[in-house]
Amino acid sequence: GEDVEQSLFLSVREGDSSVINCTYTDSSSTYLYWYKQEPGAGLQLLTYIFSNMDMKQDQRLTVLLNKKDKHLSLRIADTQTGDSAIYFCAETENSGYALNFGKGTSLLVTP
Amino acid sequence: GAGVSQSPSNKVTEKGKDVELRCDPISGHTALYWYRQSLGQGLEFLIYFQGNSAPDKSGLPSDRFSAERTGGSVSTLTIQRTQQEDSAVYLCASSRMGGVNTEAFFGQGTRLTVV
Repeated sequence: GEDVEQSLFLSVREGDSSVINCTYTDSSSTYLYWYKQEPGAGLQLLTYIFSNMDMKQDQRLTVLLNKKDKHLSLRIADTQTGDSAIYFCAETENSGYALNFGKGTSLLVTP
Repeated sequence: GAGVSQSPSNKVTEKGKDVELRCDPISGHTALYWYRQSLGQGLEFLIYFQGNSAPDKSGLPSDRFSAERTGGSVSTLTIQRTQQEDSAVYLCASSRMGGVNTEAFFGQGTRLTVV
């Protein structure tokens, strides 16, 4: 399938903001998603954004979508040590139900 | 149950043996997905079941892989004649209905190691 690209690693200090970036290639994607995976756990849906939106905010999370550049970002405000995890960007494939995931960004939050 | 349940959580098998991985979706969820998470490869879609429709098997990597879903609930992913490259975490997810606007809930996965 098409490639979803993410940087592999991000380290921030507790209390700072984290920004995780993603680029996707399928312009027909209807929804774009951010999933979180904690060690030894399954994937948890954090948030998603519909392709006709530019921004979505949910408490400490802000998703920005630039359709022209096919760029998606997740901003976590006031990052906490409990936010340390792998964050996956995903887009819907042509099927409309299968998800095409990036390789994930490991976020490390240091005290 | 409260969430998607997968068993076993870990499986070590010898190369060439067959394995079965089980997924119990959330009760009432009609859609069920299998994904594979390999080191350095991210998550790959394997197969999708929706109600009584024919499954989408387009993501299965070879004919050694098969899956079934009995009674619209429990699903079993079978890998025959396992190879070392099959080593991965196999994740199952379910959603209330198929389609892009319903949240998929993931299980904790089965870590398969082929030695």
